[in-house]
Amino acid sequence: DGGITQSPKYLFRKEGQNVTLSCEQNLNHDAMYWYRQDPGQGLRLIYYSQIVNDFQKGDIAEGYSVSREKKESFPLTVTSAQKNPTAFYLCASRDRGPGNTIYFGEGSWLTVV
Amino acid sequence: AQSVTQPDIHITVSEGASLELRCNYSYGATPYLFWYVQSPGQGLQLLLKYFSGDTLVQGIKGFEAEFKRSQSSFNLRKPSVHWSDAAEYFCAGLNAGNNRKLIWGLGTSLAVNP
Repeated sequence: DGGITQSPKYLFRKEGQNVTLSCEQNLNHDAMYWYRQDPGQGLRLIYYSQIVNDFQKGDIAEGYSVSREKKESFPLTVTSAQKNPTAFYLCASRDRGPGNTIYFGEGSWLTVV
Repeated sequence: AQSVTQPDIHITVSEGASLELRCNYSYGATPYLFWYVQSPGQGLQLLLKYFSGDTLVQGIKGFEAEFKRSQSSFNLRKPSVHWSDAAEYFCAGLNAGNNRKLIWGLGTSLAVNP
């Protein structure tokens, strides 16, 4: 089955540590996205990538980093510089068909302890 | 500036009642418009989308939405709500620029009374 796989589902991090969230897709989509979701704030764009080896900052990129070395993979690193990292993180990819639909993974919960 | 607004933060309906969730957009040109549903702790699932053609769009799970250019709206409807429809609903618009970013509403939380 085609889809987007995020791992881990739940992650606990100590303050001062970096942590990397994995996102893999087998949909052959060029564009991929990372969103952060907090209660009452909807979805906020962290980073996006239109193509391999290229990515752009979204609205809240500070304290985060990404890479796009392969079409299938778009990992997100939450660095110690991110002051409030506890949130639900969603990875997505976009197809080229009519309407350019965006599809989502199941999300990863990050908690700083 | 492009924007998507969902005026209702929370809605409660009785099971079997009809449902309408509001979404208003502000775009220079006709955007692509989407409705997604999210169950607690899960990813978002596409319900339906509008990008051209017939302004009444049918989606999954018995949902439909109507694009009304004159009202800048894309409201989601369902004739008879089921308890399993309780979830968070998000409206989004795809901007026309080169970066193709989705502009999101803040969501409407739907509760269903038995």
